[in-house]
Amino acid sequence: EAGVVQSPRYKIIEKKQPVAFWCNPISGHNTLYWYRQNLGQGPELLIRYENEEAVDDSQLPKDRFSAERLKGVDSTLKIQPAELGDSAVYLCASSLDTEAFFGQGTRLTVV
Amino acid sequence: QQQVKQSPQSLIVQKGGISIINCAYENTAFDYFPWYQQFPGKGPALLIAIRPDVSEKKEGRFTISFNKSAKQFSLHIMDSQPGDSATYFCAALERGSARQLTFGSGTQLTVLP
Repeated sequence: EAGVVQSPRYKIIEKKQPVAFWCNPISGHNTLYWYRQNLGQGPELLIRYENEEAVDDSQLPKDRFSAERLKGVDSTLKIQPAELGDSAVYLCASSLDTEAFFGQGTRLTVV
Repeated sequence: QQQVKQSPQSLIVQKGGISIINCAYENTAFDYFPWYQQFPGKGPALLIAIRPDVSEKKEGRFTISFNKSAKQFSLHIMDSQPGDSATYFCAALERGSARQLTFGSGTQLTVLP
């Protein structure tokens, strides 16, 4: 069974440019998470979906970040415009119940 | 507000030794406590998990000890191996509709050969 797939693996952009990350969760998993992980720190939740509904986006900086999960399957996370402080690893995870499975993440570098 | 506090930040252990990582929480709505292992360039992977109705869970060389009254739990790695060198995160999941998985700050474990 394929795990959580994220793309791209790496992205380098100039500040003020837009960037998008894509996540394909494990088939059948109704819960999808986007986390941000800064160097040397634990993942911090950005948004959680139950099927296509965003049920927890309180930590998402809504002035520049947006996310969608069309048809309750794949999801995209967008940043526009990116700032230097957005440099981090963006992790996607999915779960059916308690166990969350993570993708390898997208390492974003904003220069 | 850091809901799950993890210590130590880094840990160096000799091969064959015992590695111990501690976590504490405040939110009594947490009802599932997983530990994740993360290697460089990889996403976190579930290692072992426990629910608060048991005080200990063992899987191979990995054991979780859970103290509900103290709101603390710990990971013990017996007979630590160089291949165990990674970053370990404790986490906690809220019951009910919240279902937010909150992570500790991580412990970088180095097992010396």
